[in-house]
Amino acid sequence: GESVGLHLPTLSVQEGDNSIINCAYSNSASDYFIWYKQESGKGPQFIIDIRSNMDKRQGQRVTVLLNKTVKHLSLQIAATQPGDSAVYFCAVPPGGGGKLIFGQGTELSVKP
Amino acid sequence: EAQVTQNPRYLITVTGKKLTVTCSQNMNHEYMSWYRQDPGLGLRQIYYSMNVEVTDKGDVPEGYKVSRKEKRNFPLILESPSPNQTSLYFCASSPVDGSLYEQYFGPGTRLTVT
Repeated sequence: GESVGLHLPTLSVQEGDNSIINCAYSNSASDYFIWYKQESGKGPQFIIDIRSNMDKRQGQRVTVLLNKTVKHLSLQIAATQPGDSAVYFCAVPPGGGGKLIFGQGTELSVKP
Repeated sequence: EAQVTQNPRYLITVTGKKLTVTCSQNMNHEYMSWYRQDPGLGLRQIYYSMNVEVTDKGDVPEGYKVSRKEKRNFPLILESPSPNQTSLYFCASSPVDGSLYEQYFGPGTRLTVT
């Protein structure tokens, strides 16, 4: 079955720097990739998604890059702010239906 | 305000005592899902529902039941809770029209089974 993994469980960056959070997936047929953010004490919140027919998608201060060759995606956060401190999860729906597989999460800490 | 609500938010119970965690959404979403979150394991999907009367197993359905009799409600039932079901539980909902994975999560229910 599908598995999703993150490269680093924690990441610490200086305020104003760019952050890069990585994720690897196992199924080369995966069609959709999603990033969620979970702030302390809250439920996850959708950030951005990307379909397999795209290499890059940009949102507000966030960019997701997809490399299908090595089955890797990354979330880039520009000019990281203290409010970006959270756990970030990538998620993949195996088979494209209602099932969703999450990675273990990367905890991002932003130092002032 | 558009939201997903869960009740109770905190629950301590004993092994074997049946319990229900309720989930309700006011966004008229077709899709609803339950997840559990454990340290080091991320979120794991328990059950999901694509619409009323349609439910399917996620990755970890053992020991849980769900029902979807109304569009807005998706209760999670633990018929005979065990200590390994101690966890943080999240309910989520989304529309199925192309935004299926833009899920709205509830605030979570922390369950302790002793």
